Amino acid sequence: EAGVTQSPTHLIKTRGQQATLRCSPISGHTSVYWYQQALGLGLQFLLWYDEGEERNRGNFPPRFSGRQFPNYSSELNVNALELEDSALYLCASSLTSWLEQYFGPGTRLTVT
Amino acid sequence: GENVEQHPSTLSVQEGDSAVIKCTYSDSASNYFPWYKQELGKGPQLIIDIRSNVGEKKDQRIAVTLNKTAKHFSLHITETQPEDSAVYFCAAKAGNMLTFGGGTRLMVKP
Repeated sequence: EAGVTQSPTHLIKTRGQQATLRCSPISGHTSVYWYQQALGLGLQFLLWYDEGEERNRGNFPPRFSGRQFPNYSSELNVNALELEDSALYLCASSLTSWLEQYFGPGTRLTVT
Repeated sequence: GENVEQHPSTLSVQEGDSAVIKCTYSDSASNYFPWYKQELGKGPQLIIDIRSNVGEKKDQRIAVTLNKTAKHFSLHITETQPEDSAVYFCAAKAGNMLTFGGGTRLMVKP
């Protein structure tokens, strides 16, 4: 069974630009979660999507947004990039909301 | 909101010894406690979890214990091996949110 996949692996952007990150969940999983992991820090919850709807968001500004497609894959968009947005962005999926989340390998976003 | 504290931040053990990582949580409504292992350059891997109606769970060399009264839970790794070296994260679920601890870097010396 294929795990959670994310693309791209690395992304380099300039301050002020927009970044789009993609995630494909494990087959059958309908919940998708996004987390930010800044260097040396823990995981901070960003967004939760379930059945195509945004269900909850963490303490992040509105320039962090996303969506979930009918096939349950998801996209995270970060607008007006700032230097402090540089981090590893992790996507996770689960069959039951908030239980047994399985993570992808992440997208390393670097903002210069 | 929920606050999860994890100790120690770094832990160095000799191969074959046991390792214990402890976490405390603040929200008494928390009812699910997973542990993740993150190796360098990879995403976190779910290694064991426990629900609030269980006091202990074991899977081969790893075990997790939960004390709801004291609001803390621990990860125990026995007979550590070099491949156990990684960063370990605890987490607690309260409502529709999973809050992670700050992580413990475990180094197993051969």
